[in-house]
Amino acid sequence: DAKTTQPPSMDCAEGRAANLPCNHSTISGNEYVYWYRQIHSQGPQYIIHGLKNNETNEMASLIITEDRKSSTLILPHATLRDTAVYYCIVRVAENDNQFYFGTGTSLTVIP
Amino acid sequence: DSGVTQTPKHLITATGQRVTLRCSPRSGDLSVYWYQQSLDQGLQFLIQYYNGEERAKGNILERFSAQQFPDLHSELNLSSLELGDSALYFCASSPRGDSYNEQFFGPGTRLTVL
Repeated sequence: DAKTTQPPSMDCAEGRAANLPCNHSTISGNEYVYWYRQIHSQGPQYIIHGLKNNETNEMASLIITEDRKSSTLILPHATLRDTAVYYCIVRVAENDNQFYFGTGTSLTVIP
Repeated sequence: DSGVTQTPKHLITATGQRVTLRCSPRSGDLSVYWYQQSLDQGLQFLIQYYNGEERAKGNILERFSAQQFPDLHSELNLSSLELGDSALYFCASSPRGDSYNEQFFGPGTRLTVL
């Protein structure tokens, strides 16, 4: 049970911002939101994570709504190398170390 | 390069056989996680070890087992292989045992069972 809902696919023009939404309406107060991506069949790559505040790093920004029921991953200037499957993950329980990857969003960056 | 290494990269074997997949975590990481990714099931968590001890168990079949050695490398043993076990197997590592850490994934081992 992935506990998150993401659109199955999205397109984005090269150089534009890619905004990837995720719904996690059953998230509890101590659960973090993580984003990973998987390029072709490579190992998933960590992007960013957050609890309730917006976060930014060198790869992306994470915007979490005030009620924490949804979030958006923003890739500010998408490149062709950002074409990948993006997974939004929430940790399920206090002592549960499992990451449930779900089906993710397949992002295609178009030249 | 995540710093996590997995061997072998590819493995082709027959039904009923047994194989061992190996993972070396990033230097200093104490936790190792194993995942299976098949076409119809997506990325599934199998098992986690922390500093040599089993910490969490997911959708791991009884035919599969794992261990983590004193040098922190880990092995995933798959026995009585079936066609449906064909998949990518990923290992990940993290510094601690809780999932507040990000996990760093290796390049995977592609297992084909004929």
